[in-house]
Amino acid sequence: EAGVTQFPSHSVIEKGQTVTLRCDPISGHDNLYWYRRVMGKEIKFLLHFVKESKQDESGMPNNRFLAERTGGTYSTLKVQPAELEDSGVYFCASSFSGSYLGNEQFFGPGTRLTVL
Amino acid sequence: GESVGLHLPTLSVQEGDNSIINCAYSNSASDYFIWYKQESGKGPQFIIDIRSNMDKRQGQRVTVLLNKTVKHLSLQIAATQPGDSAVYFCAEENYGQNFVFGPGTRLSVLP
Repeated sequence: EAGVTQFPSHSVIEKGQTVTLRCDPISGHDNLYWYRRVMGKEIKFLLHFVKESKQDESGMPNNRFLAERTGGTYSTLKVQPAELEDSGVYFCASSFSGSYLGNEQFFGPGTRLTVL
Repeated sequence: GESVGLHLPTLSVQEGDNSIINCAYSNSASDYFIWYKQESGKGPQFIIDIRSNMDKRQGQRVTVLLNKTVKHLSLQIAATQPGDSAVYFCAEENYGQNFVFGPGTRLSVLP
């Protein structure tokens, strides 16, 4: 079974530019999460999709961040315009609501974003 | 990197006992390690971290031990409580690289 994949693995952009991160969850997983780890700090929750709907976006830092999950499959996280403090590692995770094991989230490897 | 969590071992402990959760990491060059707690329906929560220049670090009721010789990390929880029931996983970071998360261990606290 393929795991959660994220693209790109690394992105280096200049302040003011736009970057779009992509996450492909495990096939069949209805829950999709975005997290980020800013340098030196712990991983923090950004938002949670259930299928194509935003279940919880309380962790989104500001309106420069836009997440979408059209069709309830893959998701994109766009940062526009990027600021220096956006640098960090962005993680995506997915889970299946119908799992008898509970809401265990499977994480992707992350996208390392560097804003110069 | 690969996603993790496909095979989840379970640890059951009695309330009040100490818990020890183990993690084997893969990259001898990793220099930063974190333990996360994931409760049902919630995202991962940071518990404690340790850098590779340390062998032990203590927090409130938790202790992390790092054995670089055998690439082993452990999380000790003292006086385990029902609220400690969750999935725990470790993560390793090699400077400049992405995180690699461990497979996770489900901790069940028995009354």
